[in-house]
Amino acid sequence: DAKTTQPTSMDCAEGRAANLPCNHSTISGNEYVYWYRQIHSQGPQYIIHGLKNNETNEMASLIITEDRKSSTLILPHATLRDTAVYYCMLNSGGSNYKLTFGKGTLLTVNP
Amino acid sequence: GAGVSQSPSNKVTEKGKDVELRCDPISGHTALYWYRQSLGQGLEFLIYFQGNSAPDKSGLPSDRFSAERTGGSVSTLTIQRTQQEDSAVYLCASSLAQITANYGYTFGSGTRLTVV
Repeated sequence: DAKTTQPTSMDCAEGRAANLPCNHSTISGNEYVYWYRQIHSQGPQYIIHGLKNNETNEMASLIITEDRKSSTLILPHATLRDTAVYYCMLNSGGSNYKLTFGKGTLLTVNP
Repeated sequence: GAGVSQSPSNKVTEKGKDVELRCDPISGHTALYWYRQSLGQGLEFLIYFQGNSAPDKSGLPSDRFSAERTGGSVSTLTIQRTQQEDSAVYLCASSLAQITANYGYTFGSGTRLTVV
C-alpha cells in the first residue's frame, strides 16, 4: 500500500513498550488510521483505529500527530506473543471496504 | 461461535480438481469478505457479501472462482479446475456492518490451499 510507510522490522525486549511508527503523509480528511497484526499462521487481527484523536483499548494505544501525517502504535508491555507483522492502513469506510495491507513491520519481542 | 471459523485449515489438492472452502462468520455479522494471501504478498480482495444485497465479486480472479452465502450466514468459496497459482491462504472475515470506519474486521485463521 503506497499510502503508508512502515519500517520493515523492529525488535523489542519483553516487558518493555513497543512503539511502531507509520507514515501516511497523503492521508485524506475522511480516512481513518487502522492497525492490524498477523501472527504466524493466523489471520489478521484488528487492533485499533482512529481518526485524529489518540485512542486506547485493551490491546494498545494509537497516537496520531496533529497534522495526521503519521501515527504510532504503542504496545505498553510487550510479550513474546506480540511477535507478529503489524500493518498500518488507511480506510475511509462506506463503500471502501476492500482492505489493502502493505508489507508491514515485523516486530520481534525478545526474552 | 466466538470467532470466524474456517474449514479445512489445510487442503492439498491435485491440479485440475475442484475445492470448496467454508467460512462460518460471527453470529450477527451481516458483512462477510473473502481474501487471499499468497506467500510474501499482501491481502487480495476476492468477494464481499452484505446482507441480502448482490455480492461484490469484482475481486474474483477468474470464472473458476465462485462463492455463495446461504441464509446470510455460512459462506462457501469454490475453486474449479484448480491451478498451481491458486495456492495461497484463503481468509474469510466478517464485520457488523459495511462501514469499516466504525468497525474492524474479524478474520478467521484461513485455509491454506496447496495445489500440486
